[in-house]
Amino acid sequence: QVQLVESGGGVVQPGRSLRLSCAASGFTFSAYGMHWVRQAPGKGLEWVAVIWNDANKKYYADSVKGRFTISRDNSKNTLYLQMDSLRAEDTAFYYCARAIYSGAWFGHDFWGQGTLVTVSS
Amino acid sequence: DVVLTQSPLSLPVTLGQPASISCRSSQSLVYSDGNTYLNWYHQRPGQSPRRLIYKVSIRDSGAPDRFSGSGSGTDFTLKISRVEAEDLGVYYCMQGTHWPPITFGQGTRLDIK
Repeated sequence: QVQLVESGGGVVQPGRSLRLSCAASGFTFSAYGMHWVRQAPGKGLEWVAVIWNDANKKYYADSVKGRFTISRDNSKNTLYLQMDSLRAEDTAFYYCARAIYSGAWFGHDFWGQGTLVTVSS
Repeated sequence: DVVLTQSPLSLPVTLGQPASISCRSSQSLVYSDGNTYLNWYHQRPGQSPRRLIYKVSIRDSGAPDRFSGSGSGTDFTLKISRVEAEDLGVYYCMQGTHWPPITFGQGTRLDIK
């Protein structure tokens, strides 16, 4: 069955970096666009970034553009999110999610369990 | 950016009774292919979101048939015919038509009256 397992969260000081990983299994990872979506504790969902199945295209929310980098390794079935220059407002649960694309997005049909990133001094 | 406005933000319900959530978009969500990429998610406390409905009205496999989605253009509705205890939590609409960015509604919390 489809599984997405995030890791790499933790407590980090403002201005520092963190890299999240998302290990995928149960489906042909290289066939799907993959997203990161975050949720501050007690708040709503915020889309963060997307990467094409072949990593040729990447798009970011304005709130993270220039600080976060999405990438993937299809040989390892793994999605990444490199987060630099972290701010207190980046504190959130970070979810990886799979989605189908046909010029527009069908929504995210599978989600990981999330990993918590806390940015605090 | 497309803004999705959900109402109500809090919905107290009686088990066994119907419930309805509205999602209004700041612009039409009809894509150039004629489809409308408006999706609905449910998030139970402490869990990840789960997609219930995509393209306005298509139920995901595993989503109970008491859930239905409808609407067009800028106005959309999620209906639960008879609320069960497992339906409690927060519901989000999300649009994938005009992106980036993909945007979500603020969420509607469904709880027991």
